Amino acid sequence: ETGVTQTPRHLVMGMTNKKSLKCEQHLGHNAMYWYKQSAKKPLELMFVYSLEERVENNSVPSRFSPECPNSSHLFLHLHTLQPEDSALYLCASSQNWGRGGHEQFFGPGTRLTVL
Amino acid sequence: GQNIDQPTEMTATEGAIVQINCTYQTSGFNGLFWYQQHAGEAPTFLSYNVLDGLEEKGRFSSFLSRSKGYSYLLLKELQMKDSASYLCAVSDSNYQLIWGAGTKLIIKP
Repeated sequence: ETGVTQTPRHLVMGMTNKKSLKCEQHLGHNAMYWYKQSAKKPLELMFVYSLEERVENNSVPSRFSPECPNSSHLFLHLHTLQPEDSALYLCASSQNWGRGGHEQFFGPGTRLTVL
Repeated sequence: GQNIDQPTEMTATEGAIVQINCTYQTSGFNGLFWYQQHAGEAPTFLSYNVLDGLEEKGRFSSFLSRSKGYSYLLLKELQMKDSASYLCAVSDSNYQLIWGAGTKLIIKP
């Protein structure tokens, strides 16, 4: 138990569906992250929020839309996804963004399958 | 470009020692992290090195040479529960983590 929870753990959706992934951290951290993890590939940073402001958006397609309503919650809204978007989506948090030495704490991830 | 290299897979025997290497080329350096990830679970933090040398933490140690762009994770007295993927990540000049693809470690009895 890392103090970061994610729901749902598994999600199967069609290309025309709209769904949302939810992340919650109970650590009092100021920064939250969305990563995509595909088999045998490095973690890909998608979005970073620091104090509820988006600070990084690494060329992610617009079919992925993040939302950070407060420092404890992070959402990833999904619409008109493609089969290549099937992956494990990991949420993480850290004490601060933009400073060295702060480890990131990860949630268990949502295994997404796009049919 | 920025790059982190680590072996894809390694096999070791229970009770033995294994060293997992990581080499990196990044724009700037603000520390190197090692994480452990069991199948289907979240990555969990193992170690952080920002200065050259060896950091020991129980059965696990991590070494860093900034001049060589090189680190290793040393696991001693291997146990079956150490079977997992080990991820190397470097914090670059913008404090963004650049990740390796991970090393899958298989422990055999």
